[in-house]
Amino acid sequence: GEDVEQSLFLSVREGDSSVINCTYTDSSSTYLYWYKQEPGAGLQLLTYIFSNMDMKQDQRLTVLLNKKDKHLSLRIADTQTGDSAIYFCAETSYNQGGKLIFGQGTELSVKP
Amino acid sequence: KAGVTQTPRYLIKTRGQQVTLSCSPISGHRSVSWYQQTPGQGLQFLFEYFSETQRNKGNFPGRFSGRQFSNSRSEMNVSTLELGDSALYLCASSLGGGLQETQYFGPGTRLLVL
Repeated sequence: GEDVEQSLFLSVREGDSSVINCTYTDSSSTYLYWYKQEPGAGLQLLTYIFSNMDMKQDQRLTVLLNKKDKHLSLRIADTQTGDSAIYFCAETSYNQGGKLIFGQGTELSVKP
Repeated sequence: KAGVTQTPRYLIKTRGQQVTLSCSPISGHRSVSWYQQTPGQGLQFLFEYFSETQRNKGNFPGRFSGRQFSNSRSEMNVSTLELGDSALYLCASSLGGGLQETQYFGPGTRLLVL
């Protein structure tokens, strides 16, 4: 079946940039998402990118998509301690009927 | 606009019991999807409802079922609970469930099966 992979942990210093990476296998992926989950909470949509785009910027967030390599990244500029959370990459496609396929999540730890 | 709400937030049940979880979508949203989140399996899709009809289904046993009402509120039911059903159950809503529509998640219901 379709698969989404992420590294499990990332640790950065406050003020640095964080880059969270994701790879996917579905060549028909149409929309790719980044969600944030804080302890004990649900999923908060951060941003998304359509598969015909290479890049999307939204304030401190930059999403890069390399469709050839099926690689997605989320860059958080000027990372703050409040950014500490688990970040999930997800994709959907017509093949999936709109259901989201999630990666395992990357736990971002921001040290002061 | 109020977000997706889920009730109850926490539940403790014993093996063999059944449980019903509720989800109220964002006003105007007609599609509701359910996901199970566990440490071992991560986030997995259960099913999606649109206009009171199940439109998509994941790979879960028949003990997991759901329904949607005419006001778009949805319930999911798990019968004959097993220890492995302990999880965070997340509900997400979108306008029509179309591919270009973002899914907004609720806070989840945390179920513990003893």
